This record gives sequence, C-alpha cells and structure tokens, in this order.
Amino acid sequence: QQPVQSPQAVILREGEDAVINCSSSKALYSVHWYRQKHGEAPVFLMILLKGGEQKGHEKISASFNEKKQQSSLYLTASQLSYSGTYFCGTEAHPDKLIFGTGTRLQVFP
Amino acid sequence: NAGVTQTPKFRILKIGQSMTLQCTQDMNHNYMYWYRQDPGMGLKLIYYSVGAGITDKGEVPNGYNVSRSTTEDFPLRLELAAPSQTSVYFCASSLTLSQPQHFGDGTRLSIL
Repeated sequence: QQPVQSPQAVILREGEDAVINCSSSKALYSVHWYRQKHGEAPVFLMILLKGGEQKGHEKISASFNEKKQQSSLYLTASQLSYSGTYFCGTEAHPDKLIFGTGTRLQVFP
Repeated sequence: NAGVTQTPKFRILKIGQSMTLQCTQDMNHNYMYWYRQDPGMGLKLIYYSVGAGITDKGEVPNGYNVSRSTTEDFPLRLELAAPSQTSVYFCASSLTLSQPQHFGDGTRLSIL
C-alpha cells in the first residue's frame, strides 16, 4: 500500500535538474509532496488532485497521471536549498494519507 | 499563531512504562494525524482523526491509543513502552485531507 519512490537518492550540482517519481498500486484521489531537511519536520510543497493537472512552485513543479497512478516532481535549476528528503503522500483511501519511501536529494556547489 | 505544538521534545522511557505525547493546534483544523519516523526511514501513519470524537487506525496502530475530545488536542498514548517504539513522533493537522498538512517539531522518544 505504501507508494514507491524512485530514485532512492540523487546527487546534483547547482543548476542541474532532477525528477523524482512516485508510484502507487492503488487508484488515487490525490498526491501530496513534502520536503524534509535533516532534523526538521516535513514541509508542504504542493498537492495534486486527480485530473492530470500540473502544478508549479517557483522552479519546482509536479504532475499527476491518474490512470498510471503515478506522480512526478520536477526540480529545475537546483539550488543548495533544495537539499533534503522528498516524500510523496498518496490518498488511496478517503481521509488517509500514506507517505512514500522517500528520495534523498543532495545539491553541491 | 503557534501552529502545531508538540510536547515534550525529548523523552527517555524504560521498557514497560507508559506516557502521553501531547499535540495541540490553534488553526481550527478538523484533521489531525500522528506519524512515527524511524531513523533514515519515511513517515508511518499511526492514527488519524477527521474531527472531535472521531479517530481511526493508520498503518501502524498497535501499541498506541488516541483520543480527540476537542478540535485542538490529539494526544497519543503509549501504554507499555517497548524498544521497537523508539522513534521520532510527528503530529500534523490540516483543514481537510486535500489541504496542506502542518507538522509539529516532533518528539524524540527513546525506550531503553
């Protein structure tokens, strides 16, 4: 039931792009994305509702393919501040959000 | 606004002891959640609540209990602490499930 994220880890230089994928075995109502820095609480990035919409937040955007039960997070022209662990959360059951396995992103100068 | 407040921030328990982790929010959110996060791992949903008086089990509810007598408070109780419950516990709240979840700073719990 837990969504699977890939890759597990990404290492980037500043300015490079990355894509993080989130895949579920169940039909989804929505997908959430959060970023967590070491020793801190997760912080909300964006929510995508079913309908295949794409959302953007500065240089971070995401898409949701309802039919494939997948979502992807796109990080463009990465900055040092993008480092952290990214989690997707999927709503396959009403009222319950299940978080994925996480993707650790490290951005170096 | 304080947002989501968790107490205590750190605690060490002996095996078999009990304790309550406190969580309160001042945003008038209907939904509240408890997660645990083991080192290097993701967030596991323990219990959640969609409003006062309503609670339901998440992925890993065994060994825990919750109550939701008010909109603001959602305490998590460990009855018989076990080493497997050593973890960081996060409380979160949201207006609805389709709205962002706001997390507390977490409680770091060690059971020895």
